Amino acid sequence: DVKVTQSSRYLVKRTGEKVFLECVQDMDHENMFWYRQDPGLGLRLIYFSYDVKMKEKGDIPEGYSVSREKKERFSLILESASTNQTSMYLCASSQTGYSGNTIYFGEGSWLTVV
Amino acid sequence: AQSVAQPEDQVNVAEGNPLTVKCTYSVSGNPYLFWYVQYPNRGLQFLLKYITGDNLVKGSYGFEAEFNKSQTSFHLKKPSALVSDSALYFCAVRDKVKAGNNRKLIWGLGTSLAVNP
Repeated sequence: DVKVTQSSRYLVKRTGEKVFLECVQDMDHENMFWYRQDPGLGLRLIYFSYDVKMKEKGDIPEGYSVSREKKERFSLILESASTNQTSMYLCASSQTGYSGNTIYFGEGSWLTVV
Repeated sequence: AQSVAQPEDQVNVAEGNPLTVKCTYSVSGNPYLFWYVQYPNRGLQFLLKYITGDNLVKGSYGFEAEFNKSQTSFHLKKPSALVSDSALYFCAVRDKVKAGNNRKLIWGLGTSLAVNP
């Protein structure tokens, strides 16, 4: 089974703090994604990466950055956390090469910024 | 533009009754279609997908979905609902025709399914 692991399930951070959300997948997938999920807004793509050190902006990249130094790990960085970044963050991964490939999700990270 | 609509925010059904969660889509070409389920405070779990071939797709936990090209729909169904099916359900689409490996899925906003005992 594919496993996508998000290291932190629940975090509480202060406004202005730098926040790291870590994600690791064990299936050698080329693609990795970060989404945020908010009530009434569904899933919105923040960034995705299709290879090591490669990244592309999603629909809502403002206020976020990402890092992919190793194939299995994809980090989401909030340089200066703000209260409007309080949300559920979901990491996902998939193989490349075929648009019918399934995306697999982690369990999510609940971030509260106070 | 590609889009996915889940016209019902909430669906209520009695345990043992059949359930349907609706999804319609709009893409420029032929679609790949997906259903995911999210239990409270959990990530999304893959249920099933339509790639090609038989319009009726069977997936996990007894769920199935029917691809209807003329109606551009991909409704999720189950013959007999369980209380444990209560969750949030998401439909998603990806356009086959897009050049290259179009990695982005277009998501519906989700439908909350409540199965009453």
